[in-house]
Amino acid sequence: DAGVIQSPRHEVTEMGQEVTLRCKPISGHNSLFWYRQTMMRGLELLIYFNNNVPIDDSGMPEDRFSAKMPNASFSTLKIQPSEPRDSAVYFCASSFGRAEEKLFFGSGTQLSVL
Amino acid sequence: GEDVEQSLFLSVREGDSSVINCTYTDSSSTYLYWYKQEPGAGLQLLTYIFSNMDMKQDQRLTVLLNKKDKHLSLRIADTQTGDSAIYFCAGEIYNQGGKLIFGQGTELSVKP
Repeated sequence: DAGVIQSPRHEVTEMGQEVTLRCKPISGHNSLFWYRQTMMRGLELLIYFNNNVPIDDSGMPEDRFSAKMPNASFSTLKIQPSEPRDSAVYFCASSFGRAEEKLFFGSGTQLSVL
Repeated sequence: GEDVEQSLFLSVREGDSSVINCTYTDSSSTYLYWYKQEPGAGLQLLTYIFSNMDMKQDQRLTVLLNKKDKHLSLRIADTQTGDSAIYFCAGEIYNQGGKLIFGQGTELSVKP
């Protein structure tokens, strides 16, 4: 398996624009997580899905953020409208049950909002 | 909720042992994990320990768990320059679908 695949790798956009981040989890994994990493706040869990259903979105900063998982092999995180304070590295991770399969991270999307 | 704390920086000489410490608050965590993050990359699972164990060894890595004090440590023997990275500990929240809470990360710098 190629691992967790995220796209794009880098995104530079202007304030007010819509941003869509994409993730393909490892095949067979039943949980998917979106994390945000910044220098100030470290690694924050935004939302996670289990069997494609959102379980806990309490980490989503505000209504500008939304996430979907239409099927077991794809998830999106959307920011609309984007703001400079959203600049961060966004990681997607997937897992399946057992400890040795938690968590596998993608390489992240570096988002810069100007 | 679970809170996980780590010291931010550690600097060692190549060949020495490194010990990275972590404290956590939720005693119901079933597993505790150590992850490594190299520059520009995602986190990579290094090792984990089940909460009813007090030690686990995996090649150069030794994990010690003091459940009474809620203290977890990662010892890296014979530290190499390639071990320079940020190390995160994480606790798993019981019965929440694999949700992990991460510490702030400890940046390990290995000097030749």
